[in-house]
This record gives sequence, C-alpha cells and structure tokens, in this order.
Amino acid sequence: QVQLVESGGGLVKPGGSLRLSCAASGFTFSDYYMSWIRQAPGKGLEWVSYISSSGSTIYYADSVKGRFTISRDNAKNSLYLQMNSLRAEDTAVYYCARVAWYYDSSGLGTYYFDYWGQGTLVTVSS
Amino acid sequence: EIVLTQSPDFQSVTPKEKVTITCRASQSIGSSLHWYQQKPDQSPKLLIKYASQSFSGVPSRFSGSGSGTDFTLTINSLEAEDAATYYCHQSSSLRGTFGQGTKLEIK
Repeated sequence: QVQLVESGGGLVKPGGSLRLSCAASGFTFSDYYMSWIRQAPGKGLEWVSYISSSGSTIYYADSVKGRFTISRDNAKNSLYLQMNSLRAEDTAVYYCARVAWYYDSSGLGTYYFDYWGQGTLVTVSS
Repeated sequence: EIVLTQSPDFQSVTPKEKVTITCRASQSIGSSLHWYQQKPDQSPKLLIKYASQSFSGVPSRFSGSGSGTDFTLTINSLEAEDAATYYCHQSSSLRGTFGQGTKLEIK
C-alpha cells in the first residue's frame, strides 16, 4: 500500500532553516510527480510546491518562492523541502502528497493529490 | 490566482440526513475540481476527483457534480464517521488552490 512518511519538522527561530523529508513506499516513486502542502494551525490547506517525476519541472507558491527548494532522490524514494529564511507565518503542518494525473477525452490533463502523508509540524518562533 | 469559495463554512447535521456542500470558482475551471475529507487530527483523504469521479474505496454515499464555476459535494444518508472538514481543490492552473473548508458537525 502507498505510504508517505514525513520527517524533519521542529522548532526553529525566524530566519532559520529546516529540511523536511518524505519517505515513499508501496509504489514506483520515480513514476510520480510529488507535492508539498501545508496547513497552519486551525487553518485550511495551502499548496506549497510540486516537482515532476524526473525533477525537471518545479513550481512554487508565491508565498515561498525564493526561500523554499523542493527536490527528490528517486534512488532513495525520497522527497525533500529545504526551507530557508523561515518566518512565523510558515508555521504549519507540512504534508507530502503523491500527485496523480487525469486526462480527459481531448487529452487535457489535470492533477490531484491521491495519497497524503501524516504530516510534520514546523514551528517558527523566537 | 483562482479563488475557491465554499459554502457553508459550518454545518451541524443529524445522521441519515442528506448534505450538500458547494464550491464556487472565481473563473471557469472546467472539471478540474477535487474534494478531500479531513477528519480531526488526520491528514486529508481524496474523495472525488475531476468533479464527479469517486476515488477508490470511497463509500457510495459521497458524490460530486458540477463544471465551470459551480460544484457540489453531496453526502447521502450521513453517518457519524463523516464528521470532518471538507475541502475543494482546483488544478486548472498549475499553482492549484483550495477552498477555505466546510466543517461538518454531527448532532
């Protein structure tokens, strides 16, 4: 069965850095796009970033662009999120999620998140 | 950025009731709309993809409909285990966005 296990969260001071990891199992990791999504305490979901199966295509939300870097190691079945210049507003549970694609009859593709990890909490506070 | 607005924000319902949650997009997104369920202290789970297609293993009481800007998640014959927050998500643009969530409380 598909399993996604995040790690690396913790307490960090504003301006600090943290690296999150997501260990994947139960599927061929190198075949799938992957994504990070976060949820501030008591708030809704916010998409953060995603990366293509090869790592050649990457997108970021404007709120993290220039500060966060997504990467992957297909040999290790792992996804990463390097977070620099952290701010209080980055405090959240960070989920990794597998990206699945649906193609309609005209060949137009759309993606969704079919499996999510349990999340890791990042707290940015002095 | 495409904004998704869900209604209601909160609903208190009784078991066996039929529930309808709506999601309105700020511009047309075709059928690129998906629904997730998040129970307390759990990660979100996919319910419906591409507006109306049920994800594997999801109970048949959950269904989705709509296209363009207006979408609906329907839960027929609500069960106590359906207490959760429900989110819509659009992927018409590569930088997808989520609705603010609808919290369902079971009386």
